[in-house]
Amino acid sequence: ETAVFQTPNYHVTQVGNEVSFNCKQTLGHDTMYWYKQDSKKLLKIMFSYNNKQLIVNETVPRRFSPQSSDKAHLNLRIKSVEPEDSAVYLCASSQTGGEGQDTQYFGPGTRLLVL
Amino acid sequence: GDSVTQTEGLVTVTEGLPVKLNCTYQTTYLTIAFFWYVQYLNEAPQVLLRSSTDNKRTEHQGFHATLHKSSSSFHLQKSSAQLSDSALYYCALSDCMGYKLTFGTGTSLLVDP
Repeated sequence: ETAVFQTPNYHVTQVGNEVSFNCKQTLGHDTMYWYKQDSKKLLKIMFSYNNKQLIVNETVPRRFSPQSSDKAHLNLRIKSVEPEDSAVYLCASSQTGGEGQDTQYFGPGTRLLVL
Repeated sequence: GDSVTQTEGLVTVTEGLPVKLNCTYQTTYLTIAFFWYVQYLNEAPQVLLRSSTDNKRTEHQGFHATLHKSSSSFHLQKSSAQLSDSALYYCALSDCMGYKLTFGTGTSLLVDP
């Protein structure tokens, strides 16, 4: 049963355009994440937010900016997309703190194709 | 920084035979958690196993793994592979605060009839 929702499922755009992806979780978790899964299936953390505060910001180009309105929502905006941004963007959530509470639950992903 | 190594990109096994997917890691943290995630075609990664206890076997859905801190390993095994096990498997470790997962490169498991 899906508890991490992402929209859109798929997005095709041109180089230089701006795109936004949405993520919502209904698990009551306090931490949300964005991961990038590239064409070789490599999965890497981009950002993590805890209670709307940015906690992890890996080496990500400045054109990527996460936005969190509350604990249940974490969006991702990409200004001026590049061809190398073509990938699947996966949103995840977890409840931090306590034994066994660090398991992350993933959404279905948003597949971005930059032409 | 943390790193996770999965040496096999593709493992092919005949249905009913045992399978083992290798995972080793490097980390500077003492207290962290380890995971195996499975991703079926066109689906989200989902947690298969989790462990943070040294030398304790963890089992789920017929798969098992034991964390061995002495050898920095967390290999995934199953005694009898099923066709439905064909998927991409990731080994991962969580940092001490649980704020990010570091994934291995993934191993595709293909179970043949």
